[in-house]
Amino acid sequence: DAGVTQSPTHLIKTRGQQVTLRCSPKSGHDTVSWYQQALGQGPQFIFQYYEEEERQRGNFPDRFSGHQFPNYSSELNVNALWLGDSALYLCASSLGLPGDNEQFFGPGTRLTVL
Amino acid sequence: QKEVEQDPGPLSVPEGAIVSLNCTYSNSAFQYFMWYRQYSRKGPELLMYTYSSGNKEDGRFTAQVDKSSKYISLFIRDSQPSDSATYLCAMSADWNSGYALNFGKGTSLLVTP
Repeated sequence: DAGVTQSPTHLIKTRGQQVTLRCSPKSGHDTVSWYQQALGQGPQFIFQYYEEEERQRGNFPDRFSGHQFPNYSSELNVNALWLGDSALYLCASSLGLPGDNEQFFGPGTRLTVL
Repeated sequence: QKEVEQDPGPLSVPEGAIVSLNCTYSNSAFQYFMWYRQYSRKGPELLMYTYSSGNKEDGRFTAQVDKSSKYISLFIRDSQPSDSATYLCAMSADWNSGYALNFGKGTSLLVTP
C-alpha cells in the first residue's frame, strides 16, 4: 500500500517564475493538506482540499493556489516566486471525517528559488 | 507569542536513556495532539496521536497531554541511536478548522552509542 507520494523531489527556480508541485494521497484518503517548512522551522499550514474544494486556508498570499482532482490527488501552484519561498513543501493526506485527524505526510518537494 | 512553543535543543543523550520532550501551547481550542519524527531532509512520520487529555503508550513511546496546563510530553524509553532525529509536536482544533496542524519548531535529538 503506497503512502503519500510527491513529485518532483527537488526543484530549482528563479525569482518571478511559477512552479507546480504534485501530491498523491495515501490509499483511501480523500483530504489533502499542504504545508511549507522553512529550514530549522516547523511546517506551516498553507491550505487544505476536500471534495475538490479549498476547505481551509492558512496565512499565505494568493500567489499560493491549489487544486484537487476527482481521484483526490492535488497540485500546489506558486506564482511570482521570490527567495523566501525556498522551503520543503509537504503534502499530508487524511480521511475527511469529523473525529479523525490522523495526517500522514509525504517525503516533500524541496524548492530552491535563486 | 507563537501558539506552540518547543525547545529546539539540541538534546544529546546516551543510548538507553529515557528521553523527555515537551511542548506548551496557548490556544485552548486545540483538541488533537500529535508527535512526529523527522529525519534530515525527509517528511515527518506520525509517531503518536492523542485526543484530549490523558496518556497513550505505544512500545517505547509514551505521550502525555495535560490540557489544564496546556502542556504535552513525549517520553522515549531505552533510546537508540536510530531515534536520533527532529521531533515535532503538532496540534489542531476541531473539524471546523479543517484540522489544520500547528507545529512547534521541533527538538533535535541525538542518541550517542
